[in-house]
Amino acid sequence: EGQLVESGGGLVQPGESLRLSCAASGFTLNSYWMHWVRQVPGKGLVWVSRMNSDGSIIDYAASVKGRFIISRDNAKDTLYLQMNSVRADDTAVYYCARVHTAMAPGGNYYGMDVWGQGTTVTVSS
Amino acid sequence: DIQMTQSPSSLSASAGDRVTITCRASQSITVYLNWYQQKPGKAPKLLIFAASILQTGVPPRFSGSGSGTDFTLTISNLQPEDFATYYCQQSYSAPWTFGQGTKVDFK
Repeated sequence: EGQLVESGGGLVQPGESLRLSCAASGFTLNSYWMHWVRQVPGKGLVWVSRMNSDGSIIDYAASVKGRFIISRDNAKDTLYLQMNSVRADDTAVYYCARVHTAMAPGGNYYGMDVWGQGTTVTVSS
Repeated sequence: DIQMTQSPSSLSASAGDRVTITCRASQSITVYLNWYQQKPGKAPKLLIFAASILQTGVPPRFSGSGSGTDFTLTISNLQPEDFATYYCQQSYSAPWTFGQGTKVDFK
């Protein structure tokens, strides 16, 4: 089925930068859309960003647009999230997730079927 | 952005109960609706996609229904391992958005 492992989280000061990585194994990253989702401990899931298989389509949540950059290195089977100008409200567990495309009556449908274990980002001075 | 609203926010149930969680979208998303289960300290797990299609390996006591703006997740014969938080999520358009979650705990 495959596995995703995030890394790069930690304590960072407001205004600084951090890069998260998401390494894939057991499947080829370049065949899938990939997403980042974050979750403040004790709170709900919040979608952050997505990128298609070849990197030509990228979307961001309004709260991170202009500050975060999603990218991928398909040769390394790794997804990245460059977090710039971080704020206290960026503090969360960050998950990467693979999107599974299923063909069903009516069209293609999409769900996040493989998730990493999460990496914690804490923004504090 | 499409807003997703779940109800209830939490519920208490006993093993063997039938539990229903609802999710409403702020506009039609046809059947582009997924359900996830999350246990404390763990990543979410995909249960159902396309509103009603069970992900491989998910027990058939889980079922989903609905289309347009109104959806339900039903858990029949609740098992101890089902006590968790459940989220709906729309994949109709970016930004993909989640409901606020429904916590199912032990009565």
